[in-house]
Amino acid sequence: DAGVIQSPRHEVTEMGQEVTLRCKPISGHDYLFWYRQTMMRGLELLIYFNNNVPIDDSGMPEDRFSAKMPNASFSTLKIQPSEPRDSAVYFCASSSAGTSTDTQYFGPGTRLTVL
Amino acid sequence: AQTVTQSQPEMSVQEAETVTLSCTYDTSENNYYLFWYKQPPSRQMILVIRQEAYKQQNATENRFSVNFQKAAKSFSLKISDSQLGDTAMYFCALRTSGAGSYQLTFGKGTKLSVIP
Repeated sequence: DAGVIQSPRHEVTEMGQEVTLRCKPISGHDYLFWYRQTMMRGLELLIYFNNNVPIDDSGMPEDRFSAKMPNASFSTLKIQPSEPRDSAVYFCASSSAGTSTDTQYFGPGTRLTVL
Repeated sequence: AQTVTQSQPEMSVQEAETVTLSCTYDTSENNYYLFWYKQPPSRQMILVIRQEAYKQQNATENRFSVNFQKAAKSFSLKISDSQLGDTAMYFCALRTSGAGSYQLTFGKGTKLSVIP
């Protein structure tokens, strides 16, 4: 089975530009999570979806960040406009409520650099 | 709110030896799940092992085992016969089992180096 797929793997952009990160969860999983990892703050949950519906977006840092899940197999995290402090690794993870532990499986991450 | 603490920022171990990584946590919930994730230099987050709090038996996965002490809120990871491929950051994580409680709370991580 394919794992969680993220694209792009690396993104370098200039301050003020729009950035869109993409995620394809594991087929059949009904939960999708977006995390951000930085040296200073570690791993932080930004937002998560259940059955394509956003459940908790309290971790989204600012209005510049937005996330969508138009269908069960695709989600985007958008930053507009981007700032240098947004530089981080962004992970997408998915899980299935049908399993006993709801283990979250992570994608390979997108390393974002904002110049 | 729950917290996860990993008190060892860095550790090293000789190849083929055994090493134990520490993790303590705090939660007011009685039912929860604990996880260890590994993040090698490739930065992929890989599940190593998981433990359900209601199970008294410690989880094992090949060379990886945990020492789960619920009363002490401790969840340490033991790696036996360490291999060079075990070099990575290791993160301890906690998830409660209440409705809507799908957020993983991570520790800051322990950087493990396996020395040949």
